[in-house]
Amino acid sequence: EADIYQTPRYLVIGTGKKITLECSQTMGHDKMYWYQQDPGMELHLIHYSYGVNSTEKGDLSSESTVSRIRTEHFPLTLESARPSHTSQYLCASSGGQGQETQYFGPGTRLLVL
Amino acid sequence: GEDVEQSLFLSVREGDSSVINCTYTDSSSTYLYWYKQEPGAGLQLLTYIFSNMDMKQDQRLTVLLNKKDKHLSLRIADTQTGDSAIYFCAERLGGGSYIPTFGRGTSLIVHP
Repeated sequence: EADIYQTPRYLVIGTGKKITLECSQTMGHDKMYWYQQDPGMELHLIHYSYGVNSTEKGDLSSESTVSRIRTEHFPLTLESARPSHTSQYLCASSGGQGQETQYFGPGTRLLVL
Repeated sequence: GEDVEQSLFLSVREGDSSVINCTYTDSSSTYLYWYKQEPGAGLQLLTYIFSNMDMKQDQRLTVLLNKKDKHLSLRIADTQTGDSAIYFCAERLGGGSYIPTFGRGTSLIVHP
């Protein structure tokens, strides 16, 4: 059972609002990831972090930003939400040697009106 | 580069076996994974196999790996309606590579 949490689970918000999607894990994993997924579609890596104060952009360009101030916490922020940001956002984490398997949170479904 | 291919849909009758197939291109892949995603949820790890294995069985799940053909399959015995979901295949290289490459997912539909 994966101990990785995301809040909120669902969010409906108006265009132009600033939002932060929360992700926390209690497994002590040093690596964390954000994926964007449209319903029933493939996963797109948008951000990842290999440790505190380390963040990288993923394969899919995203207007979001991330921070990694604490090992267990990897929030994603959209400064000004747009309808094109409507999607599901999945957070994942993985550990060091022998623990490289990714575990996923339940996801946040975002709808921007 | 890495690429993972899966068929998009599979429909089976309840009680039959399901076989979901996946092909990958990178012969250096060391770890291969199967994840299950139910509607509106995250990905749940089902099982994984190391590239030095040919088969792995876990209750109703059987994973077969053909390294020569770079082909991975997931067999679900006695498929139930609760198995209806999207199944993602993923590969990951070893040696410090932490980010897996995911397929597009196979939507399994189980009908009575």
